[in-house]
Amino acid sequence: ETGVTQTPRHLVMGMTNKKSLKCEQHLGHNAMYWYKQSAKKPLELMFVYSLEERVENNSVPSRFSPECPNSSHLFLHLHTLQPEDSALYLCASSQDVTAGANVLTFGAGSRLTVL
Amino acid sequence: GQNIDQPTEMTATEGAIVQINCTYQTSGFNGLFWYQQHAGEAPTFLSYNVLDGLEEKGRFSSFLSRSKGYSYLLLKELQMKDSASYLCAVRDSNYQLIWGAGTKLIIKP
Repeated sequence: ETGVTQTPRHLVMGMTNKKSLKCEQHLGHNAMYWYKQSAKKPLELMFVYSLEERVENNSVPSRFSPECPNSSHLFLHLHTLQPEDSALYLCASSQDVTAGANVLTFGAGSRLTVL
Repeated sequence: GQNIDQPTEMTATEGAIVQINCTYQTSGFNGLFWYQQHAGEAPTFLSYNVLDGLEEKGRFSSFLSRSKGYSYLLLKELQMKDSASYLCAVRDSNYQLIWGAGTKLIIKP
């Protein structure tokens, strides 16, 4: 596989469930990101990891918990979510956090619906 | 605060030219990006501008004026497959990416 792969593509969960989103990149990049995309709103940066260390956490509620076990994998653990958390969750990677043009390569996203 | 403005939706005709504008107010500037996102798919990188002027890449061109806080994406010889959302993003002085809400482009035959 190439690029950035996200699973599952679709997820429906109740407010009391615990689930996880998975992201894997095959590009040899050092930085990985979680973004939230809601309809007609700008992308919201949630978390940034550089070389497996978290470097950014944009005041995200604790019901979202990231995990980066190695430079190729990124998880977003979800628990006791709210209906307003329903959105498309995009994973992205880049060569580094700040270097040069720092182009992001995105996965196709995980569409989350919270009932 | 930091802000990126772009039109919510635009309609154009197959074979024509369309210009999608983006204006920004950010804390510093370290480059401007355009991404394309087809419905249900990943955003993909189109262009990067860090100096004033026009960058041409096939049917797509991107222009930047840093003094005016302004950019546009120009799409020529429009094809049906160009129907997508176009996202403008600016990297500020802290290397944070500030995103616009995207412009949905509808191409009609």
